[in-house]
Amino acid sequence: QQPVQSPQAVILREGEDAVINCSSSKALYSVHWYRQKHGEAPVFLMILLKGGEQKGHEKISASFNEKKQQSSLYLTASQLSYSGTYFCGTVSGGSNYKLTFGKGTLLTVNP
Amino acid sequence: KAGVTQTPRYLIKTRGQQVTLSCSPISGHRSVSWYQQTPGQGLQFLFEYFSETQRNKGNFPGRFSGRQFSNSRSEMNVSTLELGDSALYLCASSLKPGTSGAQETQYFGPGTRLLVL
Repeated sequence: QQPVQSPQAVILREGEDAVINCSSSKALYSVHWYRQKHGEAPVFLMILLKGGEQKGHEKISASFNEKKQQSSLYLTASQLSYSGTYFCGTVSGGSNYKLTFGKGTLLTVNP
Repeated sequence: KAGVTQTPRYLIKTRGQQVTLSCSPISGHRSVSWYQQTPGQGLQFLFEYFSETQRNKGNFPGRFSGRQFSNSRSEMNVSTLELGDSALYLCASSLKPGTSGAQETQYFGPGTRLLVL
């Protein structure tokens, strides 16, 4: 089952904050966040393991609520370089380990 | 360290033809996964290879197949191409396959954009 991301798209002005959510109907082992710029490969941002930890990468951080099977990506004081499509990939229980990605959230940061 | 490389970058084929795409993982990485990316469906998992064996497979028809060589390089093949196969095909590599107890980060290549006419 594909995780659901929200919002589908968001437009910001430079310096504004944004939150991108990722929800799954399955119990999760981990959530992986990637950013993809147009015409480029998805770039790994961070991985969150079950346990509710929060991680950070520059001004981008994320949390993982395993009880709710939800993860949120927080972008603070956004920069033009943050523009792109953000994907969450989830790993659920079971013997087959595979990343299942959401459909992505298109983030546009304007000057 | 060089990243994941994929060849060719762009490909145009006609319906009914077959195509082979190639992926070279990051040096030292032994696990390779393939994904199909389309605007409507996003990133969808095709299959994963490790030690020349397919470990995992997504929900794609048998026309989609792959293999891995002893040097960890991987190829995927699509036979009897259909218009709906037009997509960006992404390859990702990791040191080894992940498990529920040991997560592995996947690193993506730039993809091969396939257009089927």
